[in-house]
Amino acid sequence: GAVVSQHPSRVICKSGTSVKIECRSLDFQATTMFWYRQFPKQSLMLMATSNEGSKATYEQGVEKDKFLINHASLTLSTLTVTSAHPEDSSFYICSFRTESEQYFGPGTRLTVT
Amino acid sequence: AQTVTQSQPEMSVQEAETVTLSCTYDTSESDYYLFWYKQPPSRQMILVIRQEAYKQQNATENRFSVNFQKAAKSFSLKISDSQLGDAAMYFCAYRKAPTSGTYKYIFGTGTRLKVLA
Repeated sequence: GAVVSQHPSRVICKSGTSVKIECRSLDFQATTMFWYRQFPKQSLMLMATSNEGSKATYEQGVEKDKFLINHASLTLSTLTVTSAHPEDSSFYICSFRTESEQYFGPGTRLTVT
Repeated sequence: AQTVTQSQPEMSVQEAETVTLSCTYDTSESDYYLFWYKQPPSRQMILVIRQEAYKQQNATENRFSVNFQKAAKSFSLKISDSQLGDAAMYFCAYRKAPTSGTYKYIFGTGTRLKVLA
């Protein structure tokens, strides 16, 4: 199957700082990708849908100014958590979609202290 | 709005035995896709099996098979000859067909499967 990488896999930052998470598809190009958040022992919650070259579409309740998404190319998307707070601590997962399915990255664990 | 419900937070199965995980969903669409994903301790989401709603035949992938009941909006996953490596969180997911123009996935709350040696 397709390979998607995320970097970093784990990050710890101080409250008030910003953190950038990269998501890359290594062996295919995709115009659309998704960012999810997963709290402990919970399901994946879609945060936003990102199309290459255009602005991301955020789900209700997700602050677009706090979670900045840049889908710069068909193989790279970034999520920046700005002015992070402890409640932003979570597991963030990206995925790239094809017509029939989506391929997930391995996730990034963010801890805000 | 579409919803996906997994009513079993946790299940256990003896190694080599068979287990069935339940999933129900609600939609007014006639064409859609259903998925089962596995999330092992590594947290990497892995596609287990996919079912297109227009197909009457239940999907099968080696030891994994589904029982798709469209009228009942039920989509259960059967794991045969369970192995220790099957231990993971399993998520049922729904997506509208590509012709709808939307590709958003809706996930259930998950079922944690424990495999007993």
